[in-house]
Amino acid sequence: GQNIDQPTEMTATEGAIVQINCTYQTSGFNGLFWYQQHAGEAPTFLSYNVLDGLEEKGRFSSFLSRSKGYSYLLLKELQMKDSASYLCAVRDGEAAGNKLTFGGGTRVLVKP
Amino acid sequence: NAGVTQTPKFRVLKTGQSMTLLCAQDMNHEYMYWYRQDPGMGLRLIHYSVGEGTTAKGEVPDGYNVSRLKKQNFLLGLESAAPSQTSVYFCASTGGNQPQHFGDGTRLSIL
Repeated sequence: GQNIDQPTEMTATEGAIVQINCTYQTSGFNGLFWYQQHAGEAPTFLSYNVLDGLEEKGRFSSFLSRSKGYSYLLLKELQMKDSASYLCAVRDGEAAGNKLTFGGGTRVLVKP
Repeated sequence: NAGVTQTPKFRVLKTGQSMTLLCAQDMNHEYMYWYRQDPGMGLRLIHYSVGEGTTAKGEVPDGYNVSRLKKQNFLLGLESAAPSQTSVYFCASTGGNQPQHFGDGTRLSIL
């Protein structure tokens, strides 16, 4: 089975940096995904890691350590529009249907 | 390019009624998924399909059935709706080694 943990809620100030941690214990691993979900909307893809290390995409970066079962999403130069939930998800292998197992999500509130 | 389209967007049912949620994708994706999302919780997988004519159970399949008669469509059925099935339902698809693309969701209330 899969077990994925991430904090429930975080608050940060506009212009600051926030780091959202995600730890996982899984029976299979074929990549870790981060999605952003604004209230009342669908999740949208942010970032993907399958190998150890840092992936950078503009203001967003994601890090993975497979040996530690650990990932984080780093949001820099926070903007008000970044207020949303951020979902960490681990993917099974192709033989298991490429299924995603999601953590409970971290709600980030950006204050002026 | 519409991506993943879910119908209906909202629905209110009475306990015991049946209904079908439709998911359609125009990206020629092999894999399709149905999730439910409850307040304050992440997405939980109900059923999924790895190709036309195939379906498999996810984490929370009880009370739901699915069919994938055509590659572009994935149907989720509730045979006898219960209040515990009040939720937001999301459909997603992927071509395999790619991120899943999500529809806009169906908000279902069962009274």
